[in-house]
Amino acid sequence: DAKTTQPTSMDCAEGRAANLPCNHSTISGNEYVYWYRQIHSQGPQYIIHGLKNNETNEMASLIITEDRKSSTLILPHATLRDTAVYYCIVRVRKQAGTALIFGKGTTLSVSS
Amino acid sequence: SAVISQKPSRDICQRGTSLTIQCQVDSQVTMMFWYRQQPGQSLTLIATANQGSEATYESGFVIDKFPISRPNLTFSTLTVSNMSPEDSSIYLCSVEEGSGRTYNEQFFGPGTRLTVL
Repeated sequence: DAKTTQPTSMDCAEGRAANLPCNHSTISGNEYVYWYRQIHSQGPQYIIHGLKNNETNEMASLIITEDRKSSTLILPHATLRDTAVYYCIVRVRKQAGTALIFGKGTTLSVSS
Repeated sequence: SAVISQKPSRDICQRGTSLTIQCQVDSQVTMMFWYRQQPGQSLTLIATANQGSEATYESGFVIDKFPISRPNLTFSTLTVSNMSPEDSSIYLCSVEEGSGRTYNEQFFGPGTRLTVL
């Protein structure tokens, strides 16, 4: 699986959009970008995934650049409960039985 | 998504003893995974547990230290054997689902927080 690079930490004001970047310059054509988050002391929570088109769900939006070498997770209206560690992971989606490999992630702190 | 529960949620144990952590899923799943998260660190994969076969361990983890059982499609256990303070971590169970839009997505249990004195 391709390696990802994320900033160690980010701050965001409550109610503002949180934009979390991820670099994955060695991504291959059949690898998807996944985002998970881990709120303190809980199990990681799936947020969203995508291949090359932008994706949106009830939690977030995922913007993937045209060359697919980087992506941005957008939380449109951050709340205090969005304070968590956010993990960007690249993997082959159809590779059933292959566990997610976690990097260090980005610690997002949302403040009022 | 699957609902995953773990028992115990937390425990404090003495060095040299063993603890068995249970993972229960509310639906049948093929693949289950066990992770460890040491204090202040990210998640590290311990092993993959497929029903009906022996678990596959990652580098640095051995069956004698972390024996795993997978008796059916909804249950697994991880035992932390002959514990030392370095084993103090959160242990997480994870499952892979394969249906519709969430095909191959992984979901995680709440974790078991282990402290070894």
